Amino acid sequence: DTGVSQDPRHKITKRGQNVTFRCDPISEHNRLYWYRQTLGQGPEFLTYFQNEAQLEKSRLLSDRFSAERPKGSFSTLEIQRTEQGDSAMYLCASGVVGPAQETQYFGPGTRLLVL
Amino acid sequence: ILNVEQSPQSLHVQEGDSTNFTCSFPSSNFYALHWYRWETAKSPEALFVMTLNGDEKKKGRISATLNTKEGYSYLYIKGSQPEDSATYLCAFKNYGGSQGNLIFGKGTKLSVKP
Repeated sequence: DTGVSQDPRHKITKRGQNVTFRCDPISEHNRLYWYRQTLGQGPEFLTYFQNEAQLEKSRLLSDRFSAERPKGSFSTLEIQRTEQGDSAMYLCASGVVGPAQETQYFGPGTRLLVL
Repeated sequence: ILNVEQSPQSLHVQEGDSTNFTCSFPSSNFYALHWYRWETAKSPEALFVMTLNGDEKKKGRISATLNTKEGYSYLYIKGSQPEDSATYLCAFKNYGGSQGNLIFGKGTKLSVKP
């Protein structure tokens, strides 16, 4: 399967713990995006990378959140000192920089539950 | 704040019915409109990317139209099948905004009964 993969698919943690999620994009894609979806909402943009450079961060990305893409391939999203409000589906997508027709291809997401 | 609205929020139809949903978005600085289908426990699947006013796209029994001047897109499903049951998301991208992100609506959840 050459699609976007995410690990883990589900994570349950206690408030205050740190969690890290991984995203493996489609191999030839140079852009990688992170989104978050909370109950009843559409996905909301968090941040994106072009190759290894993090080009934009949403205001939703508080200082407890950090994302990396060290070699321009896989990416990690870490949440420190988790709070119950962090419970959500975290989606990763990848794409190729280009014109308006650029499609973002999504992974299956990591569902986080903070108790 | 850019807002993307989708209606209806949910829809229940019988197998064989045709149906349609609406996505409304800001008409100024339009760049692209995306439609995705998201089945439970799977990855959101890209259906269409539309960029030109009057665009019509088709994929099997699913088609979409785009009106950038009035800021709406319709998604049509002809002869719904149980496997069409999913949440259908639209997402908007504008000029002058973020280079990267898509602004999503909340989705329309479709349930097709056999």
